[in-house]
Amino acid sequence: DQQVKQNSPSLSVQEGRISILNCDYTNSMFDYFLWYKKYPAEGPTFLISISSIKDKNEDGRFTVFLNKSAKHLSLHIVPSQPGDSAVYFCAASGMGNAGNMLTFGGGTRLMVKP
Amino acid sequence: ETGVTQSPTHLIKTRGQQVTLRCSSQSGHNTVSWYQQALGQGPQFIFQYYREEENGRGNFPPRFSGLQFPNYSSELNVNALELDDSALYLCASSIDRVGYTFGSGTRLTVV
Repeated sequence: DQQVKQNSPSLSVQEGRISILNCDYTNSMFDYFLWYKKYPAEGPTFLISISSIKDKNEDGRFTVFLNKSAKHLSLHIVPSQPGDSAVYFCAASGMGNAGNMLTFGGGTRLMVKP
Repeated sequence: ETGVTQSPTHLIKTRGQQVTLRCSSQSGHNTVSWYQQALGQGPQFIFQYYREEENGRGNFPPRFSGLQFPNYSSELNVNALELDDSALYLCASSIDRVGYTFGSGTRLTVV
C-alpha cells in the first residue's frame, strides 16, 4: 500500500529551464508535505515544505504547489541548475501518523544538463 | 557538535547474524527516527524514539529494535539478519518531532 507515489523515476531538463517534479498521495489524513533532495552517499536534505492549509509555498528558486482535492503536489525549480541534479523525494506526515513519521515516495532522479 | 552522525558507514554481515547501527544526534534533539531505504526506493519508517521511549513503529518485525540514550545517541539493532535487510539505514533527529535532520546513513549488506 503505497500512500505516497512519485510516478516519474527520472527527469532530464536543460539548464535554465523549469523542472517540475510530481507527487501523488492517497491518505486524506496527511496534512504536511515536504520535499527532500538526496545526493549519493549523503542523507536526504530538507528542501521545502507546505502545510495543507496553503496551496503554494515559495523559497527562492523552489516552489511547491498543493492541490488537496486531487491529492497532488508538485515541486517547481526555476531556473534549473546542474547542481540541482539529485534524487528528489516527496514525503508526507499528518494526524494519525505516529510521532509525525514521514511517509516517502519512491523518488525522482533529476538530471540538469548544462 | 552539529549534524547527525551515523556509524559505521558501511557494513557487511552474514545472514542470521545480528547487527547494531549507531546514530549520534545534535545536542538537544530529543527525537530520533530510523528509516530503511532499499535500493531504488524511498526511505521507509522503522520506528521513532521520543525522550528515550518508543513513540511509533512502522511495518517492521520485532527483530528490529532500538534504544535512545540520554546523551542524544541511539541504536538500531537487527537480529537474525535476512538478505532483504540489505539497505541504507538512515537516522533522523529533531526537537519535539519537528524538523528532521538526516544522517548520511549506514549501508548494510547481508550476504
